[in-house]
Amino acid sequence: AQKITQTQPGMFVQEKEAVTLDCTYDTSDPSYGLFWYKQPSSGEMIFLIYQGSYDQQNATEGRYSLNFQKARKSANLVISASQLGDSAMYFCAMREAITGGGNKLTFGTGTQLKVEL
Amino acid sequence: EADIYQTPRYLVIGTGKKITLECSQTMGHDKMYWYQQDPGMELHLIHYSYGVNSTEKGDLSSESTVSRIRTEHFPLTLESARPSHTSQYLCASSARGRGLETQYFGPGTRLLVL
Repeated sequence: AQKITQTQPGMFVQEKEAVTLDCTYDTSDPSYGLFWYKQPSSGEMIFLIYQGSYDQQNATEGRYSLNFQKARKSANLVISASQLGDSAMYFCAMREAITGGGNKLTFGTGTQLKVEL
Repeated sequence: EADIYQTPRYLVIGTGKKITLECSQTMGHDKMYWYQQDPGMELHLIHYSYGVNSTEKGDLSSESTVSRIRTEHFPLTLESARPSHTSQYLCASSARGRGLETQYFGPGTRLLVL
């Protein structure tokens, strides 16, 4: 079974600073995908970034980048130039194939990020 | 941008009532999912669908049921709500793009059963 571990229940960062949110994973499947989602207090889940297990380069999307270290089974999210609006819960998730061609996401427990002035 | 909608956003209801949580998407996605999330916790898959007339149970056992009569619509029903059903319910749909299949989520329904 797949497992996602996020060891930081809460993180604080000052505005305009960079922050790294940790995520480690465990899977026996050679083909997998890793996702990061942001969940503001309003409750919706916002897709941020994706990294495939065979991707040669680390994924980047604007201020978000994914520090993918396959040998260590880690997929940390880096947010550069933090903004007050980045304050939210962040979930790391792993894609697992399910019968019929769909994908299930296994989620970590999340990291609550607070951006301060 | 994902166009996936859930209603109601918030629901407070008494024990024993039948409720239906609505989920619809306008993207033509074949696959749809329901997740349950307790406050401050991770999401757990409770139901999914590959397409019309297809429904499957997820990892987390749930007393809810789902139906998929139309591609765009994936409602979740609780025949008799109980306080243990209090949670947030998130609907998602997925399609393949840029070589990956990304799940896009609706805004969620926060359910409180008294």
